[in-house]
Formats: sequence, structure tokens, C-alpha cells
Amino acid sequence: KQEVTQIPAALSVPEGENLVLNCSFTDSAIYNLQWFRQDPGKGLTSLLLIQSSQREQTSGRLNASLDKSSGRSTLYIAASQPGDSATYLCAVRGGGSNYKLTFGKGTLLTVNP
Amino acid sequence: NAGVTQTPKFRVLKTGQSMTLLCAQDMNHEYMYWYRQDPGMGLRLIHYSVGEGTTAKGEVPDGYNVSRLKKQNFLLGLESAAPSQTSVYFCASSYSGTTYEQYFGPGTRLTVT
Repeated sequence: KQEVTQIPAALSVPEGENLVLNCSFTDSAIYNLQWFRQDPGKGLTSLLLIQSSQREQTSGRLNASLDKSSGRSTLYIAASQPGDSATYLCAVRGGGSNYKLTFGKGTLLTVNP
Repeated sequence: NAGVTQTPKFRVLKTGQSMTLLCAQDMNHEYMYWYRQDPGMGLRLIHYSVGEGTTAKGEVPDGYNVSRLKKQNFLLGLESAAPSQTSVYFCASSYSGTTYEQYFGPGTRLTVT
């Protein structure tokens, strides 16, 4: 059974700092990996999706990497801003006909002005 | 486009009552999903559908039923609500293309007393 772990569970940083969020998964036979952002009381917003054949994806100040063989992904946020404060969730999709996403429990990020 | 919408946003039920949660998407997505989110548990898949008229069980299907009579709608039913079903429910949809990237609705907060 696929298990996804996110470390740390919570992170507090000063504004302007570069930071890395970590995601690990137990079964490397994944189809793709998706990073989401969730604001309090809101739904999930997709940030980046990395296919199993890709090594990284970039969107603005965000960069996500994937090392499938070691079962790890990182989300790098450059020059953090208070507006980046949210919970960040990692989810992996199995290969074949398995459409299910398995989610980690998230990292709660607080960026202090 | 409205994307994925959910009705209602909030609901309080008494134990034993029934209700239906409605999810609608206007992106012509083939796949739709229902998740529940609980503190410390992350998001877990309840049921999903790979097309109109089809449904399948996810990770935690007990106590729920679903129907996909129209491609744009996915209904989640609770026949006899229990306090253990107190949760935030999210609907999502995705294309059947190469990425299956999921788009989420804003959620329904359900309390069962």
C-alpha cells in the first residue's frame, strides 16, 4: 500500500527566505506526483504536477523535483512571502489503471513579515 | 468557467438523518472523485467515477453511496449519518488525458451530532 510522508509537519520562516518542503513515498511505481496548496477553510489548488518521466517542474517562484527511484520529491519556494502561508500537500498517483491519488498529511507553512 | 462547485457549503445533521452532497464541474472531465479530509488523517478517497454511469469504491466507502447519472454531476449520499462522518468533503475532477491532473471544489463542512 502506498504511503506518503511529508516533513516537516509545520514550518515557520521569516519573509524572503528560500525554503524546501519534503515529500517521500514508499512505492516508486508512480504515474505522477502533484503538489497542492490549501488555504484555511478552502479547497485545494494544484501548484505543480510532475510526470514519472520528468525530473522537475517550475512555476514562478516554485520548483518541484522528483527522484522516483528514491521515492522523494521536494518543493522549493524562493523568496518566500507572507501570502505563501498555507498548507502544502503532496499526492502521488499509482501507475496502470489506478487513478487514485494518495495524499500526505501536509506541511503547514507560516511566513512571517 | 466555474470549475468544480459543491452544494451545500455547510450542513449539520442529526444521527440517522440522510443527505446528498452535489458536485458539478463544467470542464467536461471524464473522471470525478469524492474525498474526505479529517485532522491528522489527510485526504482519503471515498468513491470515484471514470465516466457517466460508472462508479467505484475508494479507500473509505462504507456508509456512503454515489451516483453519476450525468457527466457533469457526481452525487455523494449518506443514508444514515453517523458522528464518525463529521468531516470536510471535497469533490475533484480530472481529464482522462496524460496527466489526470485533479481540480478540487471548495468543500462541504458536515457536522453530525
